[in-house]
Amino acid sequence: DVQLLESGGTLVQPGGSLRISCVASGFTFDSQPMSWVRQAPGKGLQWVSAISHNGGTTYYGDSVKGRFTISRDNSKNTLYLHMDSLRVEDTAVYYCAKHCRGGSCFTDWGQGTLITVSS
Amino acid sequence: EIVMTQSPATLSVSPGERATLSCRASQSVRNNLAWYQQKPGQAPRLLIYGAATRAAGLSARFSGSGSETEFTLSISSLQSEDFAVYFCQQYNIWPITFGQGTRLEIK
Repeated sequence: DVQLLESGGTLVQPGGSLRISCVASGFTFDSQPMSWVRQAPGKGLQWVSAISHNGGTTYYGDSVKGRFTISRDNSKNTLYLHMDSLRVEDTAVYYCAKHCRGGSCFTDWGQGTLITVSS
Repeated sequence: EIVMTQSPATLSVSPGERATLSCRASQSVRNNLAWYQQKPGQAPRLLIYGAATRAAGLSARFSGSGSETEFTLSISSLQSEDFAVYFCQQYNIWPITFGQGTRLEIK
């Protein structure tokens, strides 16, 4: 079974930095594109960033471009999201998600990790 | 970016009846449209991709249709476990975008 386990969420001050991780198992990690998707409390889903299977191509949403960096370590089956210049509006549960074969829908999701940006 | 608009925001339907949820894209997404179900405290779950293909193991009570800019998710014979929030998502053009969700509640 596919498992995605996020970690690293915490309370951070505005302007701060944080890195969250997602450890994957149950599938061939290095053959799958991955994404981060977030959900602010009581709100809808917002795609944040995506990375190709080998890390060579990355995509970002406009709201995080220039502040967030997605990366992966295929030797560790781990996806990362490094976040700088955090804002109150970045407060959300962050999910890692495995892409569908042949398209950027999401077949599997982690349980999420909560990041709260507050002073 | 492509704006996805779902309607209605809340849909009240009785168990055993049929629910029809709509999703409209601000420009064509071809058939690169997915539907997700989310229950409180849980991660979203993929239901439909390619506008009409059911995810593995999904009940045939769920069906998706549409193309280009107009899409529909239908759920027949509603059961208690179907009452949740449903999101559509386009993945035709970056950035990936989601609709704001439709809450399906028990009437």
